[in-house]
Amino acid sequence: TQLLEQSPQFLSIQEGENLTVYCNSSSVFSSLQWYRQEPGEGPVLLVTVVTGGEVKKLKRLTFQFGDARKDSSLHITAAQPGDTGLYLCAGAGGTSYGKLTFGQGTILTVHP
Amino acid sequence: DTEVTQTPKHLVMGMTNKKSLKCEQHMGHRAMYWYKQKAKKPPELMFVYSYEKLSINESVPSRFSPECPNSSLLNLHLHALQPEDSALYLCASSHHGTPSDIQYFGAGTRLSVL
Repeated sequence: TQLLEQSPQFLSIQEGENLTVYCNSSSVFSSLQWYRQEPGEGPVLLVTVVTGGEVKKLKRLTFQFGDARKDSSLHITAAQPGDTGLYLCAGAGGTSYGKLTFGQGTILTVHP
Repeated sequence: DTEVTQTPKHLVMGMTNKKSLKCEQHMGHRAMYWYKQKAKKPPELMFVYSYEKLSINESVPSRFSPECPNSSLLNLHLHALQPEDSALYLCASSHHGTPSDIQYFGAGTRLSVL
């Protein structure tokens, strides 16, 4: 069984602060996806990383995929209240064909 | 267009009712998924359809019955549910269901079982 350890589970910060969310596994993934979900809505895809060592930027969000494709991080610069939500990492491939392996999620609250 | 449409958005049902959840996508995707999600937890996979055939059933109780009438539609038939089945039910789709596919999610159906 593949596992994706996501941390921290909860994050409560003030507007303007920086933060990093981590996803780690002992398994290799063919790609890793990051989603953001607001209460009562479905997960919305933020980015997919595919190549080991890849870095992608989406405005104030920076995503990294580890060289060995076993881990990933999401860094948010100058967080805003609109960033509040549940952040999910999900690994694709490996032994769980056709399935996504989800991390446990990070609940981010950004206070004005 | 990366839209997956789910109806209804909210559903309240009794334990003796029969209801259905619907999901539709027009992206030409050939894999469709049902997930169950409890509050503040990650989605849990229930079923996967690939090219209109059921390819994965994650040991889901028979009170949940999936159906894929065609490549654009996915239904989840509900019968004799329990209160613990109350959750957000998410539908997703992807191109072929291969490991590197990106899954696109619908907004979900919020189900309450009384």
